[in-house]
Amino acid sequence: GQQVMQIPQYQHVQEGEDFTTYCNSSTTLSNIQWYKQRPGGHPVFLIQLVKSGEVKKQKRLTFQFGEAKKNSSLHITATQTTDVGTYFCAGYNYGQNFVFGPGTRLSVLP
Amino acid sequence: SAVISQKPSRDICQRGTSLTIQCQVDSQVTMMFWYRQQPGQSLTLIATANQGSEATYESGFVIDKFPISRPNLTFSTLTVSNMSPEDSSIYLCSVGDTDTDVYGYTFGSGTRLTVV
Repeated sequence: GQQVMQIPQYQHVQEGEDFTTYCNSSTTLSNIQWYKQRPGGHPVFLIQLVKSGEVKKQKRLTFQFGEAKKNSSLHITATQTTDVGTYFCAGYNYGQNFVFGPGTRLSVLP
Repeated sequence: SAVISQKPSRDICQRGTSLTIQCQVDSQVTMMFWYRQQPGQSLTLIATANQGSEATYESGFVIDKFPISRPNLTFSTLTVSNMSPEDSSIYLCSVGDTDTDVYGYTFGSGTRLTVV
């Protein structure tokens, strides 16, 4: 079945540094979503990517969908302590349910 | 996007007993899902709750262990039956509506279950 992987598993950065997490699927995806889960909280939707090569930005966050629609990335510029949490990608294929990646846990040192 | 009220937020239960988790949504939604998330881990889909029909379970999850009800388009329950310590986890409900491309899937605040 479909597998979604994420690297790195953990990332520790100094406040102000950039951060990137990568998501890779074993199969071509119809679309991909990104979620953020704060410590002790529940996942919160960030964005959905649908088109091959698509790039979307939300303030300091940049999301990219690979040309082959098998990988995606989330890049945060100049991290802040409010960025702390676990970032999950979730891959979707038509007729199936979303499959969540294992997540990347980000800690930001002030 | 939808707002979900999930109860209870946490519980400590004796092994062999059952716990029913409730999710109430502030609007009618077609799709409702139940997930399990072990501490520090990813989300694993248990089942999709369909209104008016039986839930659809993912591999590794069975109805006898996780019976689900979906009496209407705003409410669902998940029961964790005959619990063992291995069932200790966070259980989350999630809903999607017609604007999932904009709002994604909304999650309840979760139920943190500890089985002793």
